[in-house]
Amino acid sequence: GNSVTQMEGPVTLSEEAFLTINCTYTATGYPSLFWYVQYPGEGLQLLLKATKADDKGSNKGFEATYRKETTSFHLEKGSVQVSDSAVYFCALFTGGGNKLTFGTGTQLKVEL
Amino acid sequence: EAGVVQSPRYKIIEKKQPVAFWCNPISGHNTLYWYLQNLGQGPELLIRYENEEAVDDSQLPKDRFSAERLKGVDSTLKIQPAELGDSAVYLCASSKNNAGGASNEQFFGPGTRLTVL
Repeated sequence: GNSVTQMEGPVTLSEEAFLTINCTYTATGYPSLFWYVQYPGEGLQLLLKATKADDKGSNKGFEATYRKETTSFHLEKGSVQVSDSAVYFCALFTGGGNKLTFGTGTQLKVEL
Repeated sequence: EAGVVQSPRYKIIEKKQPVAFWCNPISGHNTLYWYLQNLGQGPELLIRYENEEAVDDSQLPKDRFSAERLKGVDSTLKIQPAELGDSAVYLCASSKNNAGGASNEQFFGPGTRLTVL
């Protein structure tokens, strides 16, 4: 079956530090890949997505590249801010099941 | 444009009591999802509706959980009777799916946090 594995948190960084949150997946077929962000007390929001191999999704300074050869979709940001503190979820979507499969989430804490 | 609306935001009940959650999706979104999110975990799909039809309820514990979307718009998820292990956040999401099952964006509500004592 489909599955997503994320690095465990919490990840604690100083403001302006470089961020990487690792995500690998197992899926049949050719999934679309997503990063969702969940701020405290709020619902999940789509951060970025990539629908095919070598695509790069980007938004708000975050980037992730769909790597089929390593089945990975790592999230990166060059300079994090305190306002980026949230829980980040990697997810995949396959048309056959028509549903999202989420990782367990990685909590990011950014300190001044 | 209003997002996905869920109520209540918080609910505390005694075990064996019934509870219901309500969701109003984004206007025009034909697909509605209910997810369960346990603490420290990612959301897991409980049921998916295409209009008023439940097309995937394979993960819904049907002995105590039920859901309906009578007019293909808003939806209700019910638990009866609730158990201690049902304490979690229940998320509703909606999307406007085109034919062909493309990976259309799902928009999530804020969730209902259920505590069963």
